[in-house]
Amino acid sequence: GAVVSQHPSRVICKSGTSVKIECRSLDFQATTMFWYRQFPKQSLMLMATSNEGSKATYEQGVEKDKFLINHASLTLSTLTVTSAHPEDSSFYICSAKGRALNTEAFFGQGTRLTVV
Amino acid sequence: TQLLEQSPQFLSIQEGENLTVYCNSSSVFSSLQWYRQEPGEGPVLLVTVVTGGEVKKLKRLTFQFGDARKDSSLHITAAQPGDTGLYLCAVNGSSNTGKLIFGQGTTLQVKP
Repeated sequence: GAVVSQHPSRVICKSGTSVKIECRSLDFQATTMFWYRQFPKQSLMLMATSNEGSKATYEQGVEKDKFLINHASLTLSTLTVTSAHPEDSSFYICSAKGRALNTEAFFGQGTRLTVV
Repeated sequence: TQLLEQSPQFLSIQEGENLTVYCNSSSVFSSLQWYRQEPGEGPVLLVTVVTGGEVKKLKRLTFQFGDARKDSSLHITAAQPGDTGLYLCAVNGSSNTGKLIFGQGTTLQVKP
C-alpha cells in the first residue's frame, strides 16, 4: 500500500505554546487529507477534511482557530494545535487519499501530543 | 448516538480461543471496512466488504457482511498473542469524500 508519514511521532510541549504536526504522502498525490483525534482506549474521531489548495472543512464541535490545518501541496498537510492546553493531549492521526473516487485512504503512524 | 455499535468493547482471552466481534447499525452501507490498530500506531486496513452476505477470509480471520448490509462480524479462530490490538469497523461518511466514521472499537488482549 501507499505510504503516509507523520512527524513528529511524539511531542511534549508546554501549555500555551503551539505545536505543528506534519502529514506527508510519500509515493502518491493526496488530494484529500483527513485529521483524526483519538483518546486512550477510544476510537478515532474525525476532526477535519482538507483538500489541496482550499480551506479545511471542520467537523461539528472542532474549533478551527484552535486546530489550524494547511494543505498547501499534494503531498503535505499540517495540523497546528494553537495555544495548547493539557486537555489537547491526545493521539492525532492523519490519513491521505488520492484523486480517484474509490481509492483507499492510507493512515499515518500518528502523533502522540502531551501538553504539560 | 453512535452510527456503528461495536461489541464487545473489551475482550481478554487465552491463546487458542476463538472470538467474534460485531459491528451493528440501523443504516445500510455500500461497503464496510475493518481495521486493526496497535498502540502508538495508525490503523491498518484488514478488509473491505461490499456485497450483502459476503464472507472474506484473511488467514485465521473471517469477515462477514450482513445480508442487508447493516452489520458485519469479525471472527478470529485460534487467537494468538500477535492478534492483540484494537479492532475497528468503519464506513464511509456522506458525499463520498473518503472520510471514515469508526465504531467504538474492540480492544482485544490475547494472553499466552
